[in-house]
Amino acid sequence: GAVVSQHPSWVICKSGTSVKIECRSLDFQATTMFWYRQFPKQSLMLMATSNEGSKATYEQGVEKDKFLINHASLTLSTLTVTSAHPEDSSFYICSARKPPDGMSSGNTIYFGEGSWLTVV
Amino acid sequence: QKEVEQDPGPLSVPEGAIVSLNCTYSNSAFQYFMWYRQYSRKGPELLMYTYSSGNKEDGRFTAQVDKSSKYISLFIRDSQPSDSATYLCAMSEASGGSYIPTFGRGTSLIVHP
Repeated sequence: GAVVSQHPSWVICKSGTSVKIECRSLDFQATTMFWYRQFPKQSLMLMATSNEGSKATYEQGVEKDKFLINHASLTLSTLTVTSAHPEDSSFYICSARKPPDGMSSGNTIYFGEGSWLTVV
Repeated sequence: QKEVEQDPGPLSVPEGAIVSLNCTYSNSAFQYFMWYRQYSRKGPELLMYTYSSGNKEDGRFTAQVDKSSKYISLFIRDSQPSDSATYLCAMSEASGGSYIPTFGRGTSLIVHP
């Protein structure tokens, strides 16, 4: 299957600082990437949809100034948690949609390994 | 009513059992159906991908889609302890609509030796 790499896999930061998480599609170009947050034993919560070259579309209740998303290239999207607070501690996961090819019709979504953020 | 319903479990089975995991949905525009496996503290891994109705088999895994009943299933044959994980179903609409997948909340599966 396709590979989506997420970095860092875990990070600890001090309250008030900003943290950047990178999501890369390693073997395909992804025009669309998604950012999720997942609480323990809960399902994925979509935060925003990131489209290459345009502004991200945020889900209701997600602060765009708090969670900055940049999709500067077809293989890279970044999520920056600004002025992080302990309540931002969570598991953040990105995913990327693989374009159509001979094997699939284009709705295949691949996930990164996730990033654990702890704000102290 | 949520768009995608999935029993969170946990579902506990003995090793070697056939496991049946299911999701129901309400949006008749869904055309693409996926199953993901998520181990604890890891990102979801794509297991099966199906377009429209029918069956698809891959090794010990079989995915079934019944669009008339708005019901999808994932069967795991000869289950192993290593299959213990959370299984999420996901689905999205065909072209022209939103490609944003809608996820079930996941079913926790425990396969005990």
